Amino acid sequence: AQSVTQLGSHVSVSEGALVLLRCNYSSSVPPYLFWYVQYPNQGLQLLLKYTSAATLVKGINGFEAEFKKSETSFHLTKPSAHMSDAAEYFCAVTRGGSQGNLIFGKGTKLSVKP
Amino acid sequence: KAGVTQTPRYLIKTRGQQVTLSCSPISGHRSVSWYQQTPGQGLQFLFEYFSETQRNKGNFPGRFSGRQFSNSRSEMNVSTLELGDSALYLCASSLSTYNEKLFFGSGTQLSVL
Repeated sequence: AQSVTQLGSHVSVSEGALVLLRCNYSSSVPPYLFWYVQYPNQGLQLLLKYTSAATLVKGINGFEAEFKKSETSFHLTKPSAHMSDAAEYFCAVTRGGSQGNLIFGKGTKLSVKP
Repeated sequence: KAGVTQTPRYLIKTRGQQVTLSCSPISGHRSVSWYQQTPGQGLQFLFEYFSETQRNKGNFPGRFSGRQFSNSRSEMNVSTLELGDSALYLCASSLSTYNEKLFFGSGTQLSVL
């Protein structure tokens, strides 16, 4: 069975600082992993996805994530936070390959201080 | 190209009533999925449809049902509403079901009183 755990429900960083959002997964099969972002009163937007090609995945808005099988992790990073990055971020894994059938983590709310 | 459209945006119902939510996918998309989002449980998968066929179903009671029409538009229905059904219901569409990017609508906020 697949599952994801996001460490930290709230993360606060200063503008210009490194953003690190943590995600660990559990999967009985090679996983497809995703990071989504949700801005207030909006739906989710795909940031990036890992589908067993390169382990370092680059996404939109300067975000990237590294798949580490030995650590069962897929942490999201951005070198320099911007005020517009303030949002809630969700890590997800597919159940059986279908992208329509995602298992989401509980989410991490990112705050960016000026 | 228009995005995923969900109607209505907000809905208030009372316990015991039923409700129907609508989702119009992006033009050309044949796969539609539904998710329930609550502060306590987070995002939970409800169902996935492709070409009018339900491909997957989440762990929800039978009061939750859905369907997809030949034009790929989808509806979900919740009968005998309970207070715990209050949630944001999100619809997502994609071209197909595998390795395709999901596009989410802004959701329908359902409040059950």
